[in-house]
Amino acid sequence: LAKTTQPISMDSYEGQEVNITCSHNNIATNDYITWYQQFPSQGPRFIIQGYKTKVTNEVASLFIPADRKSSTLSLPRVSLSDTAVYYCLVGDMTGSARQLTFGSGTQLTVLP
Amino acid sequence: GAVVSQHPSRVICKSGTSVKIECRSLDFQATTMFWYRQFPKQSLMLMATSNEGSKATYEQGVEKDKFLINHASLTLSTLTVTSAHPEDSSFYICSAAGKVGNQETQYFGPGTRLLVL
Repeated sequence: LAKTTQPISMDSYEGQEVNITCSHNNIATNDYITWYQQFPSQGPRFIIQGYKTKVTNEVASLFIPADRKSSTLSLPRVSLSDTAVYYCLVGDMTGSARQLTFGSGTQLTVLP
Repeated sequence: GAVVSQHPSRVICKSGTSVKIECRSLDFQATTMFWYRQFPKQSLMLMATSNEGSKATYEQGVEKDKFLINHASLTLSTLTVTSAHPEDSSFYICSAAGKVGNQETQYFGPGTRLLVL
């Protein structure tokens, strides 16, 4: 299973764009990159998933370079409620295993 | 998005008793469900992989006789913590692998807080 590396913590201010980068040098051909958000005492919430290039949905964008050895989650105009732990995970979503290995995550703190 | 529920949301029990936690995928069928445990200020740790109709696969260091998993249908998996002890107190989270629309990924339940006295 591919290992991921993320910054332990990040601070930002309301209204700013936040970019969290994740390294996954050992990503396999069949692996997808998925980002989750977790608030205290809650289960992780799916944010976005991608395989290559750029993916955008109503809450975030995911940028994946051609070598796929890293990815960047972009949160536009964050608010105080975006304070949470963000996990980058790499895994084969189509295979029978579908296992995901959680790293330490990034604690994002949005300040007023 | 897809919904995965867990019941109960929190439970307090005496040492030595057994506790059952249910995980349901409410709007999609999940052939595979996963059980995680999370201690305070730590990341999620995978305990076991549950496949419908077959035995669960446990991660190294997780006792299969202590953490009984039953995946009886495509929408329900249960985790039973047998003879619970205070060190089993933790936040237990399940996830279900499935496809909703064009998105195939894992969807997580809200978690169950277990406190063993």
